[in-house]
Amino acid sequence: GENVEQHPSTLSVQEGDSAVIKCTYSDSASNYFPWYKQELGKGPQLIIDIRSNVGEKKDQRIAVTLNKTAKHFSLHITETQPEDSAVYFCAASPYGYKLSFGAGTTVTVRA
Amino acid sequence: DAGVTQSPTHLIKTRGQQVTLRCSPISGHKSVSWYQQVLGQGPQFIFQYYEKEERGRGNFPDRFSARQFPNYSSELNVNALLLGDSALYLCASSLRVDSEKLFFGSGTQLSVL
Repeated sequence: GENVEQHPSTLSVQEGDSAVIKCTYSDSASNYFPWYKQELGKGPQLIIDIRSNVGEKKDQRIAVTLNKTAKHFSLHITETQPEDSAVYFCAASPYGYKLSFGAGTTVTVRA
Repeated sequence: DAGVTQSPTHLIKTRGQQVTLRCSPISGHKSVSWYQQVLGQGPQFIFQYYEKEERGRGNFPDRFSARQFPNYSSELNVNALLLGDSALYLCASSLRVDSEKLFFGSGTQLSVL
């Protein structure tokens, strides 16, 4: 099955700086790569996703890049704000509904 | 519009007991998936249900079962509870069986003592 590794496990950034989270996947059949944000006491919330036929996607301060050859993808958050503090999960899927998640990155934005 | 709703929010059980968790998908969504999230880890896929049929199953023992009702709501049942079953159980809904975008509920926190 698909195995997703995520780094770093924790990330502390100064407000206004950028944050980068990296993930690698093992199954070359995976073609869908979403990112989820989970706040305390809540379920994961989809913040951005990318398909394998696209190399980069941006939505305001959030961007995701995908390198199919190297089997890795990254989340970039620019101009970080305190409300960006949360746990972020990457995931990969060759089947659509069955997501394989990374272990998560706890992001702390220092004011 | 209401999102995915799950009940109960918290549950405490003892080893060997049985538990039933409930999920109502977003209106119009016909597919429900269940995930287990152990503290400090990412969610793990348990089941997907669509049109009342199991369409996919993760690497979980037969103690885990689920069903989907005509109104697309779903129940997850776990028998013979073990300490290791303590986790946040998440329900996610999507429009169709092949929909990739999953919308998660806030989960049911199950503690097994």
